[in-house]
Parts: sequence; C-alpha cells; structure tokens
Amino acid sequence: AQSVAQPEDQVNVAEGNPLTVKCTYSVSGNPYLFWYVQYPNRGLQFLLKYITGDNLVKGSYGFEAEFNKSQTSFHLKKPSALVSDSALYFCAVRDKTGGFKTIFGAGTRLFVKA
Amino acid sequence: DAGITQSPRHKVTETGTPVTLRCHQTENHRYMYWYRQDPGHGLRLIHYSYGVKDTDKGEVSDGYSVSRSKTEDFLLTLESATSSQTSVYFCAISETDRVSTDTQYFGPGTRLTVL
Repeated sequence: AQSVAQPEDQVNVAEGNPLTVKCTYSVSGNPYLFWYVQYPNRGLQFLLKYITGDNLVKGSYGFEAEFNKSQTSFHLKKPSALVSDSALYFCAVRDKTGGFKTIFGAGTRLFVKA
Repeated sequence: DAGITQSPRHKVTETGTPVTLRCHQTENHRYMYWYRQDPGHGLRLIHYSYGVKDTDKGEVSDGYSVSRSKTEDFLLTLESATSSQTSVYFCAISETDRVSTDTQYFGPGTRLTVL
C-alpha cells in the first residue's frame, strides 16, 4: 500500500540558515512525488514534483528536493530560509497502480525565526 | 489559487442537516477532486470527477455524494451531517489524463463545523 511519512511535526530554523523538511514514502511501483505548501487560511500551493530524471528537483520560491531511491526519501530543502517560508508543508506520492489516488503526509510546520 | 473558488468559505450547521459545498473553476480542467483536511491526517480524497457526470469514490467517501453537471462546477453534498464531518474541505483540479504525474491545484478551502 502507498504511504508517506513526514517524521517531524515541526521544524524550527533561524532566518538565513539552510532548512530541510523530511519525507519518506512507500509505493509498489515507481513513485511520483510532490511537495505542497499551505499558508494560513489558504489552499495548498504546488512547490515541485519528481517524475523521472535528475534526482535533484528545483521548484518555486528557491526550494529544491532530492529524490533518493535507496532511502525512499524526498526531502525538501532550501539553502537560506526566510521568515516568509513559515508555513505548513505537505509531501505527497502517487504511483501508476494508485490511479487517481494521491497520498499526503500529515504535514510539517516550519517556523523560521528572524 | 489557480482560478478555483469555493463556497461557502465558512459554514456552521447542525447534526442531521444536509450541506452542499460548491467548487467552481475557470480553467476548463477536466479533473476535479474533493479532499478533507484533518490534523494528523494530511489531506484525504473524498470523491473525484474525470468529466461531466463522471465521478468516483475516494478513500473516505462514506456519508458524501458528489455531482458534476458542468465542467466548471463540482458539488459535494453531506446528506446528513455528523460531527465527524467537521473539517476543512478543499477542492482541487488537474488538467491532463496523466493522472499519476499531473499537478493538482487547490482552492482556498471551506471550513465546516457540525454541531
């Protein structure tokens, strides 16, 4: 069965420091992986996705994510955090056997302190 | 929010009453989805539509029904609301039939409270 785990409920980082939000997954086929961000009282916004090809995926707002097949991980990263990056981040996974079904992680709240 | 509106944005209702939430898109996308968001669960798919009058169940469909009579509108109905259906509901759309890889775009959400 498909599953996604975001092991940290909350991540705290100082502005200007690098940030990492962790995600691990389990699927039966090749994974298609997504990161979304949710600001207060807003819907989810797409950040980036991995379908195939380069393991390092670059997305919106300076975020990137690294696909690691051996560790079944897709961690979200940013070299220098901004206070405005504070939000709720969701990892999501699909595979071809799942069809329309997207499995979302429980979310990780990121706090960036000035 | 990608040309997606949801109405109402907030609703308080009583147990046992019917409730209908509306999702409207201006993107002419074929695929539409309803999710609910609950703490500790992320988002879970309730129902989805792959065309006008074409709908199917997601993983948490019990107690919900949907209808899609026009490309732009996707309605979610709680036939008899229960307190367990208190949640934030999100509509999403996607464009292509590459369902595994296509990006979904989300509306602003409806916060529903069932007393």
